[in-house]
Amino acid sequence: DQQVKQNSPSLSVQEGRISILNCDYTNSMFDYFLWYKKYPAEGPTFLISISSIKDKNEDGRFTVFLNKSAKHLSLHIVPSQPGDSAVYFCAASERGGGADGLTFGKGTHLIIQP
Amino acid sequence: DTGVSQDPRHKITKRGQNVTFRCDPISEHNRLYWYRQTLGQGPEFLTYFQNEAQLEKSRLLSDRFSAERPKGSFSTLEIQRTEQGDSAMYLCASSLRSGIQETQYFGPGTRLLVL
Repeated sequence: DQQVKQNSPSLSVQEGRISILNCDYTNSMFDYFLWYKKYPAEGPTFLISISSIKDKNEDGRFTVFLNKSAKHLSLHIVPSQPGDSAVYFCAASERGGGADGLTFGKGTHLIIQP
Repeated sequence: DTGVSQDPRHKITKRGQNVTFRCDPISEHNRLYWYRQTLGQGPEFLTYFQNEAQLEKSRLLSDRFSAERPKGSFSTLEIQRTEQGDSAMYLCASSLRSGIQETQYFGPGTRLLVL
């Protein structure tokens, strides 16, 4: 049973436009959510996170939105740049981490078209 | 570079051999995690240490897998009697517990191929 779902395996966006990556979760005990970016043959790189007590967090071109009632979060990238082409993973944790580790989705491959 | 480092980056072995991977966390981080990632999947949590104590190991994939963090600094993950199904990327992450939340920072991974 997948507790974190990223239903779009891939997404193609034109350079300069907005990229919106979506993530759904089923475990209502999750209280901390993170987005990671991964290039081939490298480890995931932390991008941005959000606590369940907030509904929005912004860092430069990246904004994460959390809708707890819908158990849905999204990552917005504005404007999209060629270097943003990578696989993006949504991850979640209970009690802020620790013994349960992070639960990841399967990832969305973002392709930025010139 | 003060990030998480892993060694080796690549390992090719024959079925039945033992392999050991090393992870050096960010120096001030007290928590260390191991994950496995297979093709088309997100990382899968395996085990976790707080300082030198292994506080969760029930998610290790079988009794062929073991991990240590002898002095609360670097960690090793050993796979005994490797099988072809063990071929994957093995990722290490570290974090510093601060308040009720923590952010895990990942190393570059060790890619294992079992022939």
